[in-house]
Amino acid sequence: GAGVSQSPSNKVTEKGKDVELRCDPISGHTALYWYRQSLGQGLEFLIYFQGNSAPDKSGLPSDRFSAERTGGSVSTLTIQRTQQEDSAVYLCASSPRFANTGELFFGEGSRLTVL
Amino acid sequence: DAKTTQPNSMESNEEEPVHLPCNHSTISGTDYIHWYRQLPSQGPEYVIHGLTSNVNNRMASLAIAEDRKSSTLILHRATLRDAAVYYCILRDVDFGNEKLTFGTGTRLTIIP
Repeated sequence: GAGVSQSPSNKVTEKGKDVELRCDPISGHTALYWYRQSLGQGLEFLIYFQGNSAPDKSGLPSDRFSAERTGGSVSTLTIQRTQQEDSAVYLCASSPRFANTGELFFGEGSRLTVL
Repeated sequence: DAKTTQPNSMESNEEEPVHLPCNHSTISGTDYIHWYRQLPSQGPEYVIHGLTSNVNNRMASLAIAEDRKSSTLILHRATLRDAAVYYCILRDVDFGNEKLTFGTGTRLTIIP
C-alpha cells in the first residue's frame, strides 16, 4: 500500500534556475493539495486540484509558480527563476473525497534549498 | 476564511492526559473541524475530525463546544511519541473550491 510519494526528497539549486517537484498521490484519490512550509512555520496553502482541474490558484505566491495535474493522478509543481525566499519544504497531500468528510494523506515533502 | 487560534506551545507529563484547545469563533454552519499533527521531519498526519458531536477514535477524542466556537483535542495518555505540532483547521469552502488552511499549530512537548 503505497502512500503519497514526492520527488525529489531534497533539491539544492542556484538562484534563477527552474525546478520541478513531483507528487504521486494515492491511487484513486481525486483531490490533490500542495502546501509550502518554511523553516519553523506552519503550512501555507498553494493550490488544490479536483481531478485535473484547479479551481483556485490564488494561493500561488507569484506567477513564477505553476502547477498541473495530468490523468487525474501525478501532479507537478514548477517554480521558475527560483529565489532564495522559495527555500522551503513543499508538501503534497491527497484525499479520496472532499476534505470535510475525509482525511488528507500527506507525503514526506520535497525540501528545496535555493542558494 | 474561517480562522483558528491555538496556543503556540504546551507541555505535558508522560502518561497523563493532554487537552489541546482551539478557538474558531467565526466557524460557519457547514465547516468541519479537523485535527492533524506533524512529527519532526515528517508530513502532517490526520488525527480526527468532527462537525457537531464529540468524536472518539484510537488516537484521540475531539470535544466540540455546543456553539461550535471552540474544540479540544484530548490525548488520553500522552507518550513521548505524541510530541509533535498539532494543527486545528477548518474546511474553507466556496462552491467548486476547496482548501484546508493550516495555522502555526501548538507545539506539544512531553516531559518524561
